[in-house]
Amino acid sequence: GQQVMQIPQYQHVQEGEDFTTYCNSSTTLSNIQWYKQRPGGHPVFLIQLVKSGEVKKQKRLTFQFGEAKKNSSLHITATQTTDVGTYFCALIEGFQKLVFGTGTRLLVSP
Amino acid sequence: DGGITQSPKYLFRKEGQNVTLSCEQNLNHDAMYWYRQDPGQGLRLIYYSQIVNDFQKGDIAEGYSVSREKKESFPLTVTSAQKNPTAFYLCASSMTGEEFQPQHFGDGTRLSIL
Repeated sequence: GQQVMQIPQYQHVQEGEDFTTYCNSSTTLSNIQWYKQRPGGHPVFLIQLVKSGEVKKQKRLTFQFGEAKKNSSLHITATQTTDVGTYFCALIEGFQKLVFGTGTRLLVSP
Repeated sequence: DGGITQSPKYLFRKEGQNVTLSCEQNLNHDAMYWYRQDPGQGLRLIYYSQIVNDFQKGDIAEGYSVSREKKESFPLTVTSAQKNPTAFYLCASSMTGEEFQPQHFGDGTRLSIL
């Protein structure tokens, strides 16, 4: 099956700094979803990207799908302590079957 | 409120014992899923079901079994054949259709070995 790699595995930033996580695949993706999991919590859907080169924004979060549809990124501007958690990308394989990336754990110090 | 309820929150299993994790949803979703998450790692799919009375194996189905007798319920049994069951188990559900649908997750069950 398809796989996605996420980098970095872990990042520790000071509040107010920016943060970016990258999701890479060796094959072309039909779409990609992003989820956030707070410590001790469950994943929560953030967004889905479908089109080549697509860019979507949610307040301080910017999501991008690569032109070749083989990579995606999530950028957080001016991080806040509420941004702490693990961010996962996930691709859909077959009918509604999600394959999750390895995740990037974000820690924000005040 | 509509949502997904998993129970129990914590579960302990003795050697050689089967245990069943409950998952109920009142979102009227057709599809349901079970994932396993190990510390510091991503989610891996155990089983999924797109419709009542039908389910498919995911990537790590060995040692697990499921049933889907009702639309609202998708219980997971961790059998004694699963030699390393300690993990965080997450149940999810989603609508089905032509568009890819986001998955909604329960709060999870943490399973440990006694």
